[in-house]
Amino acid sequence: DIQMTQSPSTLSASVGDRVTITCRASQSVSSWLAWYQQKPGKAPKLLIYDANSLEGGVPSRFSGSGSGTDFSLTISGLQPDDFATYYCQQYRIYPLTFGGGTKVEIK
Amino acid sequence: QVQLVQSGAEVKKPGASVKVSCKTSGYTFTNYYLHWVRQTSGQGLEWMGTIDPRGGVTKYAQEFQGRVTMTRDTSTSTVYMELSSLRSEDTALYFCATQTSPYCTDGVCFPDYWGQGTLVTVSS
Repeated sequence: DIQMTQSPSTLSASVGDRVTITCRASQSVSSWLAWYQQKPGKAPKLLIYDANSLEGGVPSRFSGSGSGTDFSLTISGLQPDDFATYYCQQYRIYPLTFGGGTKVEIK
Repeated sequence: QVQLVQSGAEVKKPGASVKVSCKTSGYTFTNYYLHWVRQTSGQGLEWMGTIDPRGGVTKYAQEFQGRVTMTRDTSTSTVYMELSSLRSEDTALYFCATQTSPYCTDGVCFPDYWGQGTLVTVSS
């Protein structure tokens, strides 16, 4: 199985900050990587697919980059609605695997 | 619009089975794979498996092989996930999710529409 490792596990930031979350795969996943946002008790929401393609309706302050084994999600200008937990997911091969999550909390 | 509506919360005893349903609407049911993903308390997301609604072919995560069964009913556009031999560690929020991107040609893809989740509690 491909292991997905996110860092940091928790990130404290303020409204307006630029934040970056990283995700590392245990082997290459090419660009077959997605990012999700999840709020407590809710389903994950797709933000980014194919490492850097923005899902429709997602604000442009979200962006993704990377390929192979190293990826990042950047939020440029953190908004109050962005405080949540973020997960990466690889879809290179079965089983689909997710990172452990990064919680973005208010500083 | 695409909607996935799951059945309600369940409380089960260890050793029992649970069957969770996921009723879909707003799209052609047989066009898109359906996944099941679970989330234990305070933990991350764990993919359990997927089903192709066209022919009912399934792919399960190794961890759940022999304990999970995913089925579908094309007449009601509903998929089911049954998990047997329940233990306390199976207490979790279970999600169904579908993948509607035209880039997805099989189940190895990214789910983009999710159900609301079904809480399954396993307790004696």
